[in-house]
Amino acid sequence: AQSVSQHNHHVILSEAASLELGCNYSYGGTVNLFWYVQYPGQHLQLLLKYFSGDPLVKGIKGFEAEFIKSKFSFNLRKPSVQWSDTAEYFCAVKKGGGNKLTFGTGTQLKVEL
Amino acid sequence: NAGVTQTPKFQVLKTGQSMTLQCAQDMNHNSMYWYRQDPGMGLRLIYYSASEGTTDKGEVPNGYNVSRLNKREFSLRLESAAPSQTSVYFCASSEFSRGDGNTIYFGEGSWLTVV
Repeated sequence: AQSVSQHNHHVILSEAASLELGCNYSYGGTVNLFWYVQYPGQHLQLLLKYFSGDPLVKGIKGFEAEFIKSKFSFNLRKPSVQWSDTAEYFCAVKKGGGNKLTFGTGTQLKVEL
Repeated sequence: NAGVTQTPKFQVLKTGQSMTLQCAQDMNHNSMYWYRQDPGMGLRLIYYSASEGTTDKGEVPNGYNVSRLNKREFSLRLESAAPSQTSVYFCASSEFSRGDGNTIYFGEGSWLTVV
């Protein structure tokens, strides 16, 4: 079964700092990869997804992620964070053609003014 | 756009009581899911329904039952609630459960406390 690791559980940044959140998965075959964001008190929203093509994926709100197959990674990046990016971020993976989405344990991001 | 709607938003139960969480989606999606979210554990799949008329167990199905009432609705039932079922429950849907690129859309969550 596939698994997902998010190594940073809590991240604190100042506004305008650059962000990179790590995500590694364990499945060796074709994968679909997702980043979801959960703002305080809200439901999960899709930030971006990768399922084929260009491994550099751009999402909403200036976020991007790069799929590196050789490293089994799908790290999330943003060049300059804002206070409003304070949220919990979840990486998720689904086997290509599969039917179950497996989530990482999440990274709590706090952006300070 | 309503998307995925779940009720109730908040519920407190006593140990041993039963309750049903309701979920409906208006996106004509085929597949629906129930997840629970616990601190430090991310989201874990309880049950899913790939299409109307089918249901399958996820990672943590014990203590739960589900019903795919029709294409729109997918309910989660706790027959005899236990404190370990205190959690936030999310219903979700996607066009298909299989295939590439399908996005899962989530409801706003139901906060359940079992005392």
